[in-house]
Amino acid sequence: QITLKESGPTVVAPTQTLTLTCTFSGFSLSSREVGVGWIRQPPGEALEWLALIYGDDDKRHSPSLKSRLTITKDTSRSQVVFTMTTMDPVDTATYYCTYKNRDSSGYEYWGQGHPVTVSS
Amino acid sequence: QSALTQPASVSGSPGQSITISCTGTSSDVGGYDYVAWYQQHPGEAPKLIIYNVDYRPSGVSLRFSGSKSGNTASLTIFGLQAADDADYYCSSYTSRRTHVFGSGTKVTVL
Repeated sequence: QITLKESGPTVVAPTQTLTLTCTFSGFSLSSREVGVGWIRQPPGEALEWLALIYGDDDKRHSPSLKSRLTITKDTSRSQVVFTMTTMDPVDTATYYCTYKNRDSSGYEYWGQGHPVTVSS
Repeated sequence: QSALTQPASVSGSPGQSITISCTGTSSDVGGYDYVAWYQQHPGEAPKLIIYNVDYRPSGVSLRFSGSKSGNTASLTIFGLQAADDADYYCSSYTSRRTHVFGSGTKVTVL
C-alpha cells in the first residue's frame, strides 16, 4: 500500500524559504521508474505543478518557478525534500506530495496535502 | 508554460452524459499521449481517474472515458451520478519535460 505524507511549517514569513518533507511508504525511490512530485493549490484555485524527482535523480522543475525550487531525495529515509525560496503571500496554498510511475502521465497517489500560509 | 484551457463549469442531470474539454498546444496535449484527468471533491486531495489519454486506474468507474484529438483532450462522464459533482482537472506532459495542469472545471449534477 502506497502512502505519502507532507510535513513542515504551516506559516512562513514573506521572503523566507519554505522547506517541506514528503515521507512515503510502500515503494522505494531507488528505481528510475518511480517518481515523487509536488503540486500545489491556492485556496479556491486550480492545481499547479511544481517539481518532480525520479529514483535515478532525474529532476524536473516548473519553468516559471525553477530559480526558486529545489527537490532532493533521501532514499534510505524514504523522504523527498522540497524547498521554495523567497516566499510571497501569493504562494499561500495547499502543497501536495504525489507518486508517479514514469510510464504513466498521471500522479496516482497523493498525500493529504499540507496548508502553507505566507504571512508576517 | 500556460495552464491548459478548460470550461469553468459544466452541468447535467442524473443519467445524462457530459464532456469536458482541455485545450493545449502542440507542445503539450497535441504532442504527446500523456494526458491525465483528476477528480477533486471539496476538502479532499485530487484522485486520478484517467491517465495516458484513455486508461483508467484500477477501481475507477467505466463511466469515465478519455480521448484526444489534436491539441484538445476530452473527458466524458456517462450516466451522470450525484457523486460526480466535483471539480475536474486535466494535465499533460510538455516538451520541456515538465507537466502542466488545466484551469479546472466545476461539474454540477442538477
